[in-house]
Amino acid sequence: SAVISQKPSRDICQRGTSLTIQCQVDSQVTMMFWYRQQPGQSLTLIATANQGSEATYESGFVIDKFPISRPNLTFSTLTVSNMSPEDSSIYLCSVEVLLNGPGFSTEAFFGQGTRLTVV
Amino acid sequence: AQKVTQAQTEISVVEKEDVTLDCVYETRDTTYYLFWYKQPPSGELVFLIRRNSFDEQNEISGRYSWNFQKSTSSFNFTITASQVVDSAVYFCALSDSDTGKLIFGQGTTLQVKP
Repeated sequence: SAVISQKPSRDICQRGTSLTIQCQVDSQVTMMFWYRQQPGQSLTLIATANQGSEATYESGFVIDKFPISRPNLTFSTLTVSNMSPEDSSIYLCSVEVLLNGPGFSTEAFFGQGTRLTVV
Repeated sequence: AQKVTQAQTEISVVEKEDVTLDCVYETRDTTYYLFWYKQPPSGELVFLIRRNSFDEQNEISGRYSWNFQKSTSSFNFTITASQVVDSAVYFCALSDSDTGKLIFGQGTTLQVKP
């Protein structure tokens, strides 16, 4: 299993500012992801955080708006830049962990999320 | 393209009733994983189950059970004798076997009334 610590858990920010969200995992993981959940909506993948290289962004998300760092196998940050009220969402960090046992089996774990409100 | 459909937007039941949450998926992969997550009002995602595409055995865990049928591309979730604490949004998700990305359904809001 994996324990994910995500900070901050919530924040209220002024429009035009930026917020950096941290995700710390208690073990080394290969795959780390950032998701967004807009109010009343499902989760949408923002990007895959790649260790030592640029993140891989999904359609509709760009690096200038959501810069991501991943300096090692246990840590990643997501920055929400130049925020507007439309960025008010829950942002979640997720990791894929290879489970022990026969065969190739993985499990996806999520941090507790960062609830962002932009005013 | 991969897709997950949870046709039920909201379900309301009375405590102790059984309730089934539907999930239908689309994928061209032969190897994939299916998940169910619970999201209570506090917002965190609680992992419930993961099933790989080669394992069609149904699973029961306490009051929870899951019915995986590849023939109909469905992975339905049943709560037996529902309780007020089961009230939450439930998400079904499909994992890309190569990248690990999760594709989520729109979620079903379950309200269990006392």
